Amino acid sequence: GQQVQQSPTSLVLQEGENAELQCNFSTSLNSMQWFYQRPGGSLISVFYNPSGTKQSGRLTSTTVIKERRSSLHISSSQITDSGTYLCAPPSGQKLVFGQGTILKVYL
Amino acid sequence: DMKVTQMPRYLIKRMGENVLLECGQDMSHETMYWYRQDPGLGLQLIYISYDVDSNSEGDIPKGYRVSRKKREHFSLILDSAKTNQTSVYFCASRGQFSGNTLYFGEGSRLIVV
Repeated sequence: GQQVQQSPTSLVLQEGENAELQCNFSTSLNSMQWFYQRPGGSLISVFYNPSGTKQSGRLTSTTVIKERRSSLHISSSQITDSGTYLCAPPSGQKLVFGQGTILKVYL
Repeated sequence: DMKVTQMPRYLIKRMGENVLLECGQDMSHETMYWYRQDPGLGLQLIYISYDVDSNSEGDIPKGYRVSRKKREHFSLILDSAKTNQTSVYFCASRGQFSGNTLYFGEGSRLIVV
Protein backbone atom coordinates (compact mmCIF):
# COMPACT_ATOMS: atom_id res chain seq x y z
CA GLY A 1 0.00 0.00 0.00
CA GLN A 2 0.86 3.65 -0.08
CA GLN A 3 3.63 4.72 2.32
CA VAL A 4 4.02 8.36 3.25
CA GLN A 5 7.00 10.10 4.81
CA GLN A 6 6.93 13.71 5.93
CA SER A 7 9.86 15.89 6.86
CA PRO A 8 10.86 17.58 8.99
CA THR A 9 9.06 16.09 11.96
CA SER A 10 8.96 19.48 13.61
CA LEU A 11 9.98 22.99 12.77
CA VAL A 12 10.38 26.13 14.87
CA LEU A 13 10.40 29.50 13.15
CA GLN A 14 10.44 33.11 14.10
CA GLU A 15 7.53 35.06 12.70
CA GLY A 16 8.30 36.25 9.19
CA GLU A 17 10.52 33.31 8.25
CA ASN A 18 9.61 30.89 5.49
CA ALA A 19 8.86 27.19 5.91
CA GLU A 20 9.31 24.29 3.51
CA LEU A 21 7.51 21.04 4.34
CA GLN A 22 8.17 17.86 2.40
CA CYS A 23 6.09 14.80 1.67
CA ASN A 24 7.41 11.68 -0.08
CA PHE A 25 5.19 8.79 -1.10
CA SER A 26 5.89 5.28 -2.30
CA THR A 27 3.47 4.63 -5.14
CA SER A 28 2.27 6.70 -8.05
CA LEU A 29 -0.82 8.78 -7.56
CA ASN A 30 -2.86 11.39 -9.34
CA SER A 31 -3.41 13.91 -6.57
CA MET A 32 -2.26 15.09 -3.18
CA GLN A 33 -4.06 16.75 -0.33
CA TRP A 34 -2.51 18.86 2.38
CA PHE A 35 -4.29 19.41 5.69
CA TYR A 36 -3.74 21.77 8.58
CA GLN A 37 -4.59 20.67 12.11
CA ARG A 38 -4.64 23.23 14.87
CA PRO A 39 -3.47 21.99 18.27
CA GLY A 40 -6.16 19.75 19.73
CA GLY A 41 -8.45 20.49 16.82
CA SER A 42 -9.88 19.27 13.59
CA LEU A 43 -8.26 18.94 10.17
CA ILE A 44 -8.83 21.51 7.49
CA SER A 45 -7.97 20.95 3.85
CA VAL A 46 -5.52 23.56 2.63
CA PHE A 47 -4.71 22.15 -0.79
CA TYR A 48 -6.03 19.61 -3.21
CA ASN A 49 -3.30 19.46 -5.82
CA PRO A 50 -3.35 16.92 -8.66
CA SER A 51 0.08 17.97 -9.89
CA GLY A 52 2.20 21.02 -10.54
CA THR A 53 2.08 24.13 -8.41
CA LYS A 54 -0.83 25.80 -6.70
CA GLN A 55 -0.81 28.95 -4.61
CA SER A 56 -3.26 30.29 -2.09
CA GLY A 57 -2.18 33.42 -0.29
CA ARG A 58 1.07 32.70 1.54
CA LEU A 59 0.84 28.96 0.88
CA THR A 60 2.25 27.22 -2.20
CA SER A 61 1.96 23.52 -2.92
CA THR A 62 4.11 21.77 -5.52
CA THR A 63 3.54 18.14 -6.45
CA VAL A 64 5.88 16.23 -8.77
CA ILE A 65 4.18 12.95 -9.48
CA LYS A 66 7.06 11.18 -11.27
CA GLU A 67 9.42 12.01 -8.41
CA ARG A 68 6.81 10.95 -5.83
CA ARG A 69 7.08 14.07 -3.76
CA SER A 70 5.06 17.07 -2.75
CA SER A 71 6.01 20.19 -0.84
CA LEU A 72 4.20 22.90 1.02
CA HIS A 73 5.84 26.30 1.22
CA ILE A 74 4.69 28.85 3.77
CA SER A 75 6.01 32.33 3.21
CA SER A 76 6.28 35.01 5.89
CA SER A 77 5.08 32.69 8.62
CA GLN A 78 2.71 33.99 11.30
CA ILE A 79 1.97 32.79 14.79
CA THR A 80 -1.43 31.61 13.62
CA ASP A 81 0.29 29.19 11.21
CA SER A 82 1.36 27.08 14.20
CA GLY A 83 -0.05 23.58 14.16
CA THR A 84 0.43 20.30 12.34
CA TYR A 85 0.54 19.95 8.58
CA LEU A 86 -0.33 16.57 7.11
CA CYS A 87 -0.06 15.36 3.57
CA ALA A 88 -2.45 12.69 2.35
CA PRO A 89 -2.03 10.98 -0.97
CA PRO A 90 -4.96 8.85 -2.11
CA SER A 91 -4.99 5.08 -2.16
CA GLY A 92 -8.17 4.24 -3.99
CA GLN A 93 -11.05 5.85 -2.14
CA LYS A 94 -8.92 6.24 0.97
CA LEU A 95 -6.45 8.88 1.95
CA VAL A 96 -3.23 7.70 3.56
CA PHE A 97 -1.94 10.26 6.03
CA GLY A 98 1.65 11.09 6.83
CA GLN A 99 2.75 11.56 10.43
CA GLY A 100 2.71 15.31 9.98
CA THR A 101 5.09 18.21 10.48
CA ILE A 102 4.57 20.18 13.69
CA LEU A 103 5.16 23.85 13.03
CA LYS A 104 5.65 26.34 15.81
CA VAL A 105 5.99 30.03 15.01
CA TYR A 106 7.03 32.48 17.71
CA LEU A 107 7.36 36.27 17.91
CA ASP B 1 -23.41 25.55 5.67
CA MET B 2 -20.81 22.84 5.02
CA LYS B 3 -20.29 21.10 8.28
CA VAL B 4 -19.45 17.73 9.79
CA THR B 5 -20.72 17.40 13.34
CA GLN B 6 -19.55 14.81 15.83
CA MET B 7 -21.20 13.85 19.10
CA PRO B 8 -20.19 13.52 21.82
CA ARG B 9 -17.00 15.57 21.82
CA TYR B 10 -15.68 14.01 25.01
CA LEU B 11 -16.50 10.67 26.56
CA ILE B 12 -15.18 8.58 29.42
CA LYS B 13 -16.22 4.93 29.54
CA ARG B 14 -15.31 1.92 31.63
CA MET B 15 -13.73 -1.10 30.00
CA GLY B 16 -16.43 -3.42 28.69
CA GLU B 17 -19.05 -0.71 28.19
CA ASN B 18 -20.54 0.02 24.79
CA VAL B 19 -19.70 3.25 23.01
CA LEU B 20 -21.63 5.05 20.31
CA LEU B 21 -19.98 7.88 18.38
CA GLU B 22 -22.18 9.77 15.99
CA CYS B 23 -21.38 11.84 12.95
CA GLY B 24 -23.60 13.98 10.79
CA GLN B 25 -22.98 16.02 7.67
CA ASP B 26 -25.19 18.53 5.87
CA MET B 27 -23.60 18.33 2.41
CA SER B 28 -25.28 15.14 1.17
CA HIS B 29 -21.83 13.61 0.66
CA GLU B 30 -21.86 10.00 -0.48
CA THR B 31 -18.62 8.89 1.17
CA MET B 32 -17.93 9.05 4.88
CA TYR B 33 -15.01 7.88 6.98
CA TRP B 34 -14.04 7.11 10.54
CA TYR B 35 -10.41 7.63 11.53
CA ARG B 36 -8.64 7.45 14.85
CA GLN B 37 -5.63 9.56 15.71
CA ASP B 38 -2.99 8.53 18.21
CA PRO B 39 0.37 10.13 19.04
CA GLY B 40 3.11 8.56 16.95
CA LEU B 41 0.67 6.60 14.81
CA GLY B 42 -1.03 9.40 12.95
CA LEU B 43 -4.46 8.98 11.43
CA GLN B 44 -5.62 5.44 10.81
CA LEU B 45 -8.69 4.51 8.81
CA ILE B 46 -11.23 2.39 10.68
CA TYR B 47 -14.15 2.22 8.26
CA ILE B 48 -15.30 3.82 5.06
CA SER B 49 -18.89 4.13 3.88
CA TYR B 50 -19.69 4.68 0.23
CA ASP B 51 -23.37 5.36 0.84
CA VAL B 52 -26.32 4.03 2.85
CA ASP B 53 -25.66 0.42 3.94
CA SER B 54 -22.49 0.26 1.82
CA ASN B 55 -19.64 0.04 4.30
CA SER B 56 -16.13 -1.28 3.97
CA GLU B 57 -13.39 -2.07 6.45
CA GLY B 58 -10.46 0.25 6.63
CA ASP B 59 -7.01 -0.58 7.95
CA ILE B 60 -7.90 -1.17 11.61
CA PRO B 61 -11.55 -2.36 11.81
CA LYS B 62 -11.11 -4.88 14.61
CA GLY B 63 -13.19 -3.99 17.67
CA TYR B 64 -15.39 -1.55 15.76
CA ARG B 65 -18.54 -1.63 13.71
CA VAL B 66 -20.43 1.04 11.85
CA SER B 67 -23.92 1.90 10.79
CA ARG B 68 -25.16 4.12 8.00
CA LYS B 69 -28.92 4.14 7.59
CA LYS B 70 -29.16 7.67 6.25
CA ARG B 71 -26.73 9.39 3.91
CA GLU B 72 -26.23 12.26 6.37
CA HIS B 73 -25.44 10.09 9.35
CA PHE B 74 -22.60 7.64 10.08
CA SER B 75 -22.15 5.95 13.47
CA LEU B 76 -19.16 4.20 14.99
CA ILE B 77 -19.91 1.55 17.59
CA LEU B 78 -17.53 -0.05 20.04
CA ASP B 79 -19.02 -3.15 21.60
CA SER B 80 -17.25 -3.75 24.89
CA ALA B 81 -14.68 -0.98 24.82
CA LYS B 82 -11.05 -1.72 25.56
CA THR B 83 -8.42 0.55 27.08
CA ASN B 84 -6.42 0.49 23.84
CA GLN B 85 -9.37 2.15 22.12
CA THR B 86 -8.65 5.33 24.03
CA SER B 87 -8.09 7.80 21.23
CA VAL B 88 -9.40 10.77 19.31
CA TYR B 89 -11.87 9.71 16.66
CA PHE B 90 -12.47 11.78 13.56
CA CYS B 91 -15.32 11.52 11.13
CA ALA B 92 -14.91 12.88 7.60
CA SER B 93 -16.98 13.12 4.46
CA ARG B 94 -16.36 13.63 0.78
CA GLY B 95 -18.73 14.27 -2.07
CA GLN B 96 -18.54 13.64 -5.78
CA PHE B 97 -19.07 17.32 -6.46
CA SER B 98 -16.97 18.77 -3.63
CA GLY B 99 -13.68 18.64 -5.50
CA ASN B 100 -12.49 15.50 -3.75
CA THR B 101 -11.82 17.52 -0.62
CA LEU B 102 -12.27 15.72 2.67
CA TYR B 103 -14.25 17.58 5.34
CA PHE B 104 -13.50 16.62 8.93
CA GLY B 105 -15.49 16.89 12.12
CA GLU B 106 -14.05 18.35 15.32
CA GLY B 107 -13.22 14.95 16.76
CA SER B 108 -14.50 12.85 19.64
CA ARG B 109 -12.06 12.25 22.46
CA LEU B 110 -12.71 8.85 24.06
CA ILE B 111 -11.07 7.65 27.23
CA VAL B 112 -11.61 4.04 28.28
CA VAL B 113 -10.64 3.31 31.88
